[in-house]
Amino acid sequence: GQSLEQPSEVTAVEGAIVQINCTYQTSGFYGLSWYQQHDGGAPTFLSYNGLDGLEETGRFSSFLSRSDSYGYLLLQELQMKDSASYFCAVNSKLTGGGNKLTFGTGTQLKVEL
Amino acid sequence: KAGVTQTPRYLIKTRGQQVTLSCSPISGHRSVSWYQQTPGQGLQFLFEYFSETQRNKGNFPGRFSGRQFSNSRSEMNVSTLELGDSALYLCASSPGGTSGATDTQYFGPGTRLTVL
Repeated sequence: GQSLEQPSEVTAVEGAIVQINCTYQTSGFYGLSWYQQHDGGAPTFLSYNGLDGLEETGRFSSFLSRSDSYGYLLLQELQMKDSASYFCAVNSKLTGGGNKLTFGTGTQLKVEL
Repeated sequence: KAGVTQTPRYLIKTRGQQVTLSCSPISGHRSVSWYQQTPGQGLQFLFEYFSETQRNKGNFPGRFSGRQFSNSRSEMNVSTLELGDSALYLCASSPGGTSGATDTQYFGPGTRLTVL
């Protein structure tokens, strides 16, 4: 089976930096994706790591260590609008081709003034 | 490019009924995946369609089915609705292809289904 673990809730102040960790156990691992979801909204793609190392996209960065089955999402210069749920998701290759996402339970980020 | 669209956005049904949800992928995308999101189980993979064929399936009962049309639009059907089927149903599109293992999936706004 596949399982992912991430903290359920993180609170930080505006302008700060926050790191959301994700550990996983899975087979057929291809990469780790991160999605943001505001209440009532659709998951929005943030970042993907297929190889070890850091990927940077504006204020967001994501890191992967395949040997440690570990990744994290780093959010810098936090803004109030960053208050949302953040999901890590394993991309795994399927025997029929294509891929599926197996999601973690999500981390609720609260940004305070 | 326009994003993924889903209709309807909200649905209320009663137990025993059936429901059909629709998803139009991003133009040029050939793969459509469906996910169920509930507070208790989180986001779970239902199935994936590519070139009008179900390519992969998650661990859901046979009451959950789908299809894909030649224009890549997809429908999902749930028969004999149960209270536990109340959820946000999300579809995601990706370019697809013979491998597609690293394709990014882009989600639609979802259909909120309430079963009474």
